[in-house]
Amino acid sequence: ELKVEQNPLFLSMQEGKNYTIYCNYSTTSDRLYWYRQDPGKSLESLFVLLSNGAVKQEGRLMASLDTKARLSTLHITAAVHDLSATYFCAVANMNYGGSQGNLIFGKGTKLSVKP
Amino acid sequence: DAGVIQSPRHEVTEMGQEVTLRCKPISGHNSLFWYRQTMMRGLELLIYFNNNVPIDDSGMPEDRFSAKMPNASFSTLKIQPSEPRDSAVYFCASRDERDFTDTQYFGPGTRLTVL
Repeated sequence: ELKVEQNPLFLSMQEGKNYTIYCNYSTTSDRLYWYRQDPGKSLESLFVLLSNGAVKQEGRLMASLDTKARLSTLHITAAVHDLSATYFCAVANMNYGGSQGNLIFGKGTKLSVKP
Repeated sequence: DAGVIQSPRHEVTEMGQEVTLRCKPISGHNSLFWYRQTMMRGLELLIYFNNNVPIDDSGMPEDRFSAKMPNASFSTLKIQPSEPRDSAVYFCASRDERDFTDTQYFGPGTRLTVL
């Protein structure tokens, strides 16, 4: 069974600080996705990581993927209040004859950035 | 692009009533997913369609749940009879298999409350 574990589940940060969210998954997959969800809102795609060693950056967020370690990280640099949200990592379920099916989501990391 | 459209956005009903949730995927997308989000279980797949055909319905909780996709631009998720434990946010997502990233795009969700 494909499992995805995120930690921490809750993160309270001060503005200007750096931190990393970790995402571990249990079986081989070469596709990993990061989504953001604001309270009461939908999920917004942030990053798609498609191969080992992939690194993507957007503003103060940087995501990386290590398929050998089955680990992805989301690094936050100099946090600002606008980054407060819940961040989900998700791994593609490839159990459809090699085709990609649904996403398996982690529990999410609720990030709160305080002044 | 209008994105994935879901209706209704909020639904409050009484136990035993029938509930129908609707989804219009992004035009041209050929895969459609129904997910459910709860505090206890997080985001979980209910059913996945490809080219209007159900591929994986293993996440459908029981016979009270049914889903259809009569054409490429419309899908429904029906719960009959509804129970309080069905209270959750139901998301529809779509994907274009021609997109090499296989990114899923989520609708705004339907918040269902069963009293």
